[in-house]
Amino acid sequence: GEEVAQTPKHLVRGEGQKAKLYCAPIKGHSYVFWYQQVLKNEFKFLISFQNENVFDETGMPKERFSAKCLPNSPCSLEIQATKLEDSAVYFCASSQAGSGTDYGYTFGSGTRLTVV
Amino acid sequence: AQSVTQLGSHVSVSEGALVLLRCNYSSSVPPYLFWYVQYPNQGLQLLLKYTSAATLVKGINGFEAEFKKSETSFHLTKPSAHMSDAAEYFCAVLSGYSTLTFGKGTMLLVSP
Repeated sequence: GEEVAQTPKHLVRGEGQKAKLYCAPIKGHSYVFWYQQVLKNEFKFLISFQNENVFDETGMPKERFSAKCLPNSPCSLEIQATKLEDSAVYFCASSQAGSGTDYGYTFGSGTRLTVV
Repeated sequence: AQSVTQLGSHVSVSEGALVLLRCNYSSSVPPYLFWYVQYPNQGLQLLLKYTSAATLVKGINGFEAEFKKSETSFHLTKPSAHMSDAAEYFCAVLSGYSTLTFGKGTMLLVSP
């Protein structure tokens, strides 16, 4: 399809529980990016993939966060043992090329994670 | 490291008035710059991007932005605001090869 599909739209987890978010990139897009939007405005880059390979993980917290992009499956972002500070909207974006200068990035509508 | 600063967390205009949203960048290399719009509870939609071609970039919904190297600016403008333009606007710069670094956003409020 022509949109980046993120599921679920909303996710509520108790502190310490696991959270798993999914992203289906646009067909034909080789690159997938995850961003975290905290406090409504601040975007933080987490991780990017080129097909199923990690491309850039410099923003990824080393503890508790993991991500995968496997062939023929939606990409996933998993948070083990969630904390209150993980409450945020998590956006996925995909692109035909790694640099958005040629084709741009298409963002999904996000998953709102609330940790209580 | 590349960064962007958006001046003004809120901008209020009347319908039909000029829209000006400010963005200044800091970059050690020629920057690639983007403007995105976010409507409530939605994702980011690309308005326009500067990739070192023409300095005046035209985007969707009547928006345009001008890259001014001497002022390190990439301000977003629209000649006449519509009520439907009310949203959050984010300026972003390409950091490294593929990562976007966003500004803190500017909320545009449009009054009748």
